[in-house]
Amino acid sequence: AQTVTQSQPEMSVQEAETVTLSCTYDTSESDYYLFWYKQPPSRQMILVIRQEAYKQQNATENRFSVNFQKAAKSFSLKISDSQLGDAAMYFCAYRSASGATNKLIFGTGTLLAVQP
Amino acid sequence: GAVVSQHPSWVICKSGTSVKIECRSLDFQATTMFWYRQFPKQSLMLMATSNEGSKATYEQGVEKDKFLINHASLTLSTLTVTSAHPEDSSFYICSASRRTGALNTEAFFGQGTRLTVV
Repeated sequence: AQTVTQSQPEMSVQEAETVTLSCTYDTSESDYYLFWYKQPPSRQMILVIRQEAYKQQNATENRFSVNFQKAAKSFSLKISDSQLGDAAMYFCAYRSASGATNKLIFGTGTLLAVQP
Repeated sequence: GAVVSQHPSWVICKSGTSVKIECRSLDFQATTMFWYRQFPKQSLMLMATSNEGSKATYEQGVEKDKFLINHASLTLSTLTVTSAHPEDSSFYICSASRRTGALNTEAFFGQGTRLTVV
């Protein structure tokens, strides 16, 4: 079974600085997707960024980028120029690219605080 | 972007009663819908996967007779918490998958429902 691990329960960053959130996963599959979701205080889940495992190039979305290391099964999220609105719970998630279901497997989350 | 509407946003019910939560994909047909439960400051725990017209697939440890899931159409899934007890109080989130390619789907989440059983 696949598992997702986020070893940082809480992180803090100064406004305008850069922060990296860690995520590791375990799988025997070769084809899959990885995601970072943001859950602000409203608790609405928002997709931040996604990465296809077959792509070597790291995904980037504006201030958000990932460092995908497939061999190490690592998928960290870097937030540049942090803003107060980035404060939220961040979840790393895995989804198989094959199989009958498309269920997401979530990590335990990292609560990010942004200090003004 | 695709919109998933979950209703109600919050509900308070008496112990022993049943509560129904609706999840609708407003502008797309969902191949699959998922129901999650989230305790405070914890991750999302998948409860069940539902496909239109078929029985839901429940995760291990989830009581299917307590958490009834009905997926009546490609745009609507409902979760009914039967004979609710205080320990069922939680935040429930649905997500709906939209097909974006031959082999790919994307998940969209509802706003969640806070259930309090008194």
